[in-house]
Amino acid sequence: DSGVTQTPKHLITATGQRVTLRCSPRSGDLSVYWYQQSLDQGLQFLIQYYNGEERAKGNILERFSAQQFPDLHSELNLSSLELGDSALYFCASSVGYHTGELFFGEGSRLTVL
Amino acid sequence: DQQVKQNSPSLSVQEGRISILNCDYTNSMFDYFLWYKKYPAEGPTFLISISSIKDKNEDGRFTVFLNKSAKHLSLHIVPSQPGDSAVYFCAAEISNFGNEKLTFGTGTRLTIIP
Repeated sequence: DSGVTQTPKHLITATGQRVTLRCSPRSGDLSVYWYQQSLDQGLQFLIQYYNGEERAKGNILERFSAQQFPDLHSELNLSSLELGDSALYFCASSVGYHTGELFFGEGSRLTVL
Repeated sequence: DQQVKQNSPSLSVQEGRISILNCDYTNSMFDYFLWYKKYPAEGPTFLISISSIKDKNEDGRFTVFLNKSAKHLSLHIVPSQPGDSAVYFCAAEISNFGNEKLTFGTGTRLTIIP
Protein backbone atom coordinates (compact mmCIF):
# COMPACT_ATOMS: atom_id res chain seq x y z
CA ASP A 1 0.00 0.00 0.00
CA SER A 2 1.63 3.23 -1.23
CA GLY A 3 -0.55 5.47 0.92
CA VAL A 4 -1.94 7.24 -2.16
CA THR A 5 -5.68 6.82 -2.60
CA GLN A 6 -7.48 7.24 -5.89
CA THR A 7 -11.22 7.17 -6.52
CA PRO A 8 -13.06 5.85 -8.38
CA LYS A 9 -11.13 2.73 -9.38
CA HIS A 10 -13.26 2.21 -12.45
CA LEU A 11 -15.48 4.58 -14.38
CA ILE A 12 -17.51 4.02 -17.53
CA THR A 13 -19.07 6.98 -19.26
CA ALA A 14 -20.17 8.23 -22.65
CA THR A 15 -18.55 10.58 -25.13
CA GLY A 16 -19.17 14.23 -24.42
CA GLN A 17 -19.52 13.69 -20.69
CA ARG A 18 -17.42 15.10 -17.86
CA VAL A 19 -15.80 13.16 -15.02
CA THR A 20 -13.75 13.99 -11.95
CA LEU A 21 -10.99 11.78 -10.62
CA ARG A 22 -9.87 12.24 -7.06
CA CYS A 23 -6.54 11.67 -5.37
CA SER A 24 -5.44 11.79 -1.75
CA PRO A 25 -1.64 11.90 -1.43
CA ARG A 26 0.45 10.18 1.21
CA SER A 27 0.35 11.88 4.56
CA GLY A 28 2.95 14.64 4.56
CA ASP A 29 3.47 14.72 0.78
CA LEU A 30 3.03 18.17 -0.72
CA SER A 31 3.37 17.31 -4.41
CA VAL A 32 0.74 15.57 -6.49
CA TYR A 33 1.27 14.39 -10.05
CA TRP A 34 -1.19 13.10 -12.61
CA TYR A 35 -0.18 10.60 -15.29
CA GLN A 36 -2.14 9.00 -18.11
CA GLN A 37 -1.42 5.49 -19.39
CA SER A 38 -3.16 4.58 -22.61
CA LEU A 39 -3.00 1.11 -24.13
CA ASP A 40 0.59 0.06 -24.85
CA GLN A 41 1.82 3.49 -23.93
CA GLY A 42 4.11 4.61 -21.20
CA LEU A 43 3.02 6.89 -18.42
CA GLN A 44 2.40 10.31 -19.90
CA PHE A 45 2.88 13.18 -17.50
CA LEU A 46 -0.11 15.50 -17.33
CA ILE A 47 0.40 17.97 -14.51
CA GLN A 48 2.03 18.53 -11.12
CA TYR A 49 0.88 20.53 -8.12
CA TYR A 50 2.97 21.50 -5.14
CA ASN A 51 1.29 22.74 -2.00
CA GLY A 52 -1.72 24.00 -3.92
CA GLU A 53 0.14 25.65 -6.78
CA GLU A 54 0.62 24.32 -10.30
CA ARG A 55 4.29 23.38 -10.61
CA ALA A 56 4.77 21.74 -13.98
CA LYS A 57 2.61 20.96 -16.96
CA GLY A 58 2.97 18.18 -19.47
CA ASN A 59 0.86 17.14 -22.42
CA ILE A 60 -2.43 17.92 -20.76
CA LEU A 61 -5.31 18.66 -23.09
CA GLU A 62 -7.26 21.90 -22.73
CA ARG A 63 -10.35 19.77 -22.01
CA PHE A 64 -8.59 18.54 -18.88
CA SER A 65 -7.98 20.55 -15.76
CA ALA A 66 -6.75 19.84 -12.27
CA GLN A 67 -6.42 21.48 -8.92
CA GLN A 68 -4.97 20.80 -5.52
CA PHE A 69 -6.99 21.82 -2.51
CA PRO A 70 -5.81 23.22 0.86
CA ASP A 71 -6.02 19.74 2.39
CA LEU A 72 -3.64 18.66 -0.42
CA HIS A 73 -6.01 16.28 -2.15
CA SER A 74 -6.24 16.77 -5.88
CA GLU A 75 -8.87 16.39 -8.55
CA LEU A 76 -8.45 15.84 -12.26
CA ASN A 77 -11.41 17.00 -14.33
CA LEU A 78 -11.90 15.55 -17.78
CA SER A 79 -14.56 17.15 -19.96
CA SER A 80 -16.05 16.68 -23.44
CA LEU A 81 -14.77 13.15 -23.25
CA GLU A 82 -13.69 11.34 -26.40
CA LEU A 83 -13.10 7.65 -27.05
CA GLY A 84 -9.37 8.29 -27.03
CA ASP A 85 -9.50 9.49 -23.44
CA SER A 86 -10.06 5.93 -22.31
CA ALA A 87 -7.01 5.17 -20.21
CA LEU A 88 -5.63 4.45 -16.79
CA TYR A 89 -5.08 7.67 -14.86
CA PHE A 90 -2.51 7.53 -12.09
CA CYS A 91 -1.97 9.95 -9.31
CA ALA A 92 1.36 10.04 -7.54
CA SER A 93 2.76 12.03 -4.65
CA SER A 94 6.12 13.01 -3.25
CA VAL A 95 7.36 15.00 -0.30
CA GLY A 96 8.90 17.85 -2.24
CA TYR A 97 8.67 19.28 -5.72
CA HIS A 98 11.73 17.42 -6.96
CA THR A 99 10.28 14.30 -8.51
CA GLY A 100 12.67 11.42 -8.01
CA GLU A 101 10.84 8.71 -6.14
CA LEU A 102 7.11 8.95 -6.58
CA PHE A 103 4.45 7.01 -4.73
CA PHE A 104 1.64 5.97 -7.04
CA GLY A 105 -1.97 5.18 -6.39
CA GLU A 106 -3.63 2.15 -7.95
CA GLY A 107 -5.07 4.24 -10.74
CA SER A 108 -8.52 5.09 -12.05
CA ARG A 109 -9.53 3.22 -15.17
CA LEU A 110 -11.69 5.38 -17.39
CA THR A 111 -13.66 3.83 -20.22
CA VAL A 112 -15.41 6.17 -22.65
CA LEU A 113 -18.06 4.50 -24.80
CA ASP B 1 8.58 12.35 -29.47
CA GLN B 2 9.49 9.42 -27.22
CA GLN B 3 12.48 10.65 -25.25
CA VAL B 4 12.75 7.49 -23.18
CA LYS B 5 12.54 4.23 -25.07
CA GLN B 6 12.24 0.66 -23.97
CA ASN B 7 12.49 -1.26 -27.20
CA SER B 8 11.69 -4.68 -25.79
CA PRO B 9 8.00 -4.94 -24.91
CA SER B 10 8.55 -8.29 -23.25
CA LEU B 11 11.28 -10.54 -21.88
CA SER B 12 11.20 -14.09 -20.53
CA VAL B 13 13.94 -15.40 -18.26
CA GLN B 14 14.46 -18.66 -16.41
CA GLU B 15 14.29 -18.49 -12.63
CA GLY B 16 17.76 -18.09 -11.14
CA ARG B 17 19.23 -16.52 -14.27
CA ILE B 18 20.05 -12.87 -14.89
CA SER B 19 17.37 -10.54 -16.25
CA ILE B 20 18.62 -7.53 -18.19
CA LEU B 21 16.18 -4.78 -19.06
CA ASN B 22 17.32 -1.99 -21.33
CA CYS B 23 16.39 1.64 -21.75
CA ASP B 24 17.60 4.33 -24.14
CA TYR B 25 17.07 8.05 -23.94
CA THR B 26 17.54 10.88 -26.38
CA ASN B 27 17.61 13.98 -24.20
CA SER B 28 21.17 14.64 -22.99
CA MET B 29 19.79 16.98 -20.33
CA PHE B 30 18.38 14.06 -18.33
CA ASP B 31 20.45 13.70 -15.18
CA TYR B 32 18.47 11.36 -12.95
CA PHE B 33 17.11 7.96 -13.87
CA LEU B 34 14.77 5.59 -12.12
CA TRP B 35 13.23 2.17 -12.56
CA TYR B 36 9.70 1.42 -11.47
CA LYS B 37 8.02 -1.94 -11.21
CA LYS B 38 4.32 -2.49 -11.78
CA TYR B 39 2.16 -5.48 -10.92
CA PRO B 40 -1.32 -5.86 -12.47
CA ALA B 41 -4.02 -3.76 -10.83
CA GLU B 42 -1.43 -1.83 -8.84
CA GLY B 43 0.35 1.45 -9.32
CA PRO B 44 4.05 1.54 -10.22
CA THR B 45 6.45 1.28 -7.29
CA PHE B 46 9.93 2.71 -7.14
CA LEU B 47 12.71 0.16 -7.50
CA ILE B 48 16.09 1.83 -7.92
CA SER B 49 17.60 5.05 -9.21
CA ILE B 50 20.88 6.47 -10.43
CA SER B 51 22.26 9.94 -10.77
CA SER B 52 24.20 10.95 -13.87
CA ILE B 53 27.32 11.43 -11.76
CA LYS B 54 27.47 7.66 -11.25
CA ASP B 55 27.66 4.78 -13.68
CA LYS B 56 26.40 2.06 -11.38
CA ASN B 57 24.07 1.69 -8.43
CA GLU B 58 23.36 -1.53 -6.63
CA ASP B 59 20.60 -2.54 -4.24
CA GLY B 60 20.48 -6.19 -3.34
CA ARG B 61 19.62 -8.24 -6.41
CA PHE B 62 19.07 -5.10 -8.49
CA THR B 63 21.80 -3.12 -10.24
CA VAL B 64 21.35 -0.21 -12.59
CA PHE B 65 24.08 0.73 -15.05
CA LEU B 66 24.28 4.08 -16.82
CA ASN B 67 26.27 4.73 -19.98
CA LYS B 68 25.97 8.45 -20.59
CA SER B 69 27.90 8.48 -23.84
CA ALA B 70 25.54 5.90 -25.30
CA LYS B 71 22.50 7.42 -23.57
CA HIS B 72 21.67 3.97 -22.31
CA LEU B 73 20.80 2.42 -19.01
CA SER B 74 20.07 -1.10 -17.99
CA LEU B 75 18.61 -2.90 -15.01
CA HIS B 76 20.12 -6.21 -13.99
CA ILE B 77 18.26 -8.59 -11.71
CA VAL B 78 20.32 -11.44 -10.31
CA PRO B 79 19.13 -14.03 -9.54
CA SER B 80 15.69 -13.64 -11.08
CA GLN B 81 12.78 -14.85 -8.98
CA PRO B 82 9.14 -15.55 -9.89
CA GLY B 83 8.05 -12.51 -7.89
CA ASP B 84 10.04 -10.34 -10.26
CA SER B 85 7.45 -10.99 -12.98
CA ALA B 86 6.02 -7.54 -13.61
CA VAL B 87 6.16 -4.60 -16.01
CA TYR B 88 9.28 -2.49 -15.56
CA PHE B 89 9.30 1.18 -16.49
CA CYS B 90 12.40 3.22 -17.02
CA ALA B 91 12.06 6.94 -16.21
CA ALA B 92 14.27 10.00 -16.54
CA GLU B 93 14.18 13.58 -15.42
CA ILE B 94 15.98 16.89 -15.69
CA SER B 95 16.43 18.06 -12.15
CA ASN B 96 16.47 21.79 -12.88
CA PHE B 97 14.47 24.03 -10.69
CA GLY B 98 11.00 24.39 -12.14
CA ASN B 99 11.19 21.49 -14.53
CA GLU B 100 10.92 18.48 -12.34
CA LYS B 101 8.89 15.82 -14.05
CA LEU B 102 9.53 12.23 -14.89
CA THR B 103 9.46 11.01 -18.47
CA PHE B 104 8.59 7.33 -18.64
CA GLY B 105 9.32 4.67 -21.19
CA THR B 106 6.60 2.33 -22.47
CA GLY B 107 7.63 -0.53 -20.19
CA THR B 108 9.00 -4.05 -20.54
CA ARG B 109 6.96 -6.99 -19.32
CA LEU B 110 9.30 -9.41 -17.56
CA THR B 111 8.19 -13.01 -17.09
CA ILE B 112 10.25 -15.29 -14.89
CA ILE B 113 9.81 -18.92 -15.84
CA PRO B 114 9.99 -21.32 -12.86
